[in-house]
Order: sequence, then structure tokens, then C-alpha cells
Amino acid sequence: DAGITQSPRHKVTETGTPVTLRCHQTENHRYMYWYRQDPGHGLRLIHYSYGVKDTDKGEVSDGYSVSRSKTEDFLLTLESATSSQTSVYFCAIRTSFPFNEQFFGPGTRLTVL
Amino acid sequence: SQQGEEDPQALSIQEGENATMNCSYKTSINNLQWYRQNSGRGLVHLILIRSNEREKHSGRLRVTLDTSKKSSSLLITASRAADTASYFCATETQAQKLVFGQGTRLTINP
Repeated sequence: DAGITQSPRHKVTETGTPVTLRCHQTENHRYMYWYRQDPGHGLRLIHYSYGVKDTDKGEVSDGYSVSRSKTEDFLLTLESATSSQTSVYFCAIRTSFPFNEQFFGPGTRLTVL
Repeated sequence: SQQGEEDPQALSIQEGENATMNCSYKTSINNLQWYRQNSGRGLVHLILIRSNEREKHSGRLRVTLDTSKKSSSLLITASRAADTASYFCATETQAQKLVFGQGTRLTINP
């Protein structure tokens, strides 16, 4: 599992509330990613980080923000959750050259009512 | 936008048969990675093939890559019931980002 944990693993919240998901890694990888998975769409990249305080947008970044103040933690925040953000969220790390593989955490199932 | 497209979307075979899944993509890539996902679970990394490689093996898995056709295939030989899962290809672009296809649902019938 490449030492990746996600918390919480399940969350139910109401529309308009803020939500923060946490991804934690133990192996000091530089690159970290947040994806969402929805039926019919596969996995889509939300945001990613290439170092502490270095982040960039992915394909579906609207409504999400991220922060990375330490190498091991990458936080995903929904400032004001909407029902369209009900999804399964996966965090991933990318191993260094020459491997360059992405390994995924166990996922967080988020339901926005 | 999805770069990778998998074919077929669903595949059902008998245990012991071989399963072949295909992936096509649109732009140049650093590498292509295949993942397995069991129902309701996370993604398991299966294999990575670099853009300068043509074929790679890992146990019962064989992956090919044809950059001229922008396509890859995943072959699972001697399938088992435990191989029942969804399989995704993902292409890594120059920006170290993965773009996923929508996956192939593989069912192995006993």
C-alpha cells in the first residue's frame, strides 16, 4: 500500500458545510495527488502537489482547494460541499525516478446530502 | 477529458481462458500504467510500461505498448475467479500526471 493512509474513510455531510480530507504518506515521496472516482467517469485528477507548498490544478479542480505544509500530508478541502461532490476520493503518491509509479490510498467515500 | 479509452467496456470469460483488454490514448506519454480495482475497493498497481518499451511481463500478466498506434494491451493468462475486477489503464503525460480510462469490467465465470 506504499504507506498511504486516508482519513476519514467514510463521511456523510450536508450541503454547504466545509469538509477536509487528509492523505498521509510515510515514505517521503515528493509528488502527491487527489482524484475522484464516479461511475462512468473513471478517475479524474482534482489537484496535485510536487513539493511542500507547491500545488497545481487538475482536470476537475473547481470547488476544491488543497494544502501541503509537510511532505507527509496532503489535505483536500471542499469549502462548501455540494451534492455533485458526492464521490469516492483517492489519494496517490508517485515514486521517484526510475520507477515513476503511482500508488493509491484506500479511498474516502464522501456523501453530501 | 479522458485520454485513455478501454475496450471492451465489459468482458466475461470462463476460468482458465485468457483475457485481453485494450487501451488507446491520444497524446505522447512518459509511461502507461495498468491498475486493478475490485468492487468497492482501492486501486492496485499492476504494471508500468515506459514509452521506449514494447512488452513487459509480470507473472500471468503481459502488457504491450505500440506508441505508433497509441495503444496498449493487457493480457491475463489462465484466468482465475480472483481476477474478476475492473481494470484501468492510465497514461502519464509530461507533467507527471496520470489520465485514466473508464476501465474494463472483467468477469471470470467458474
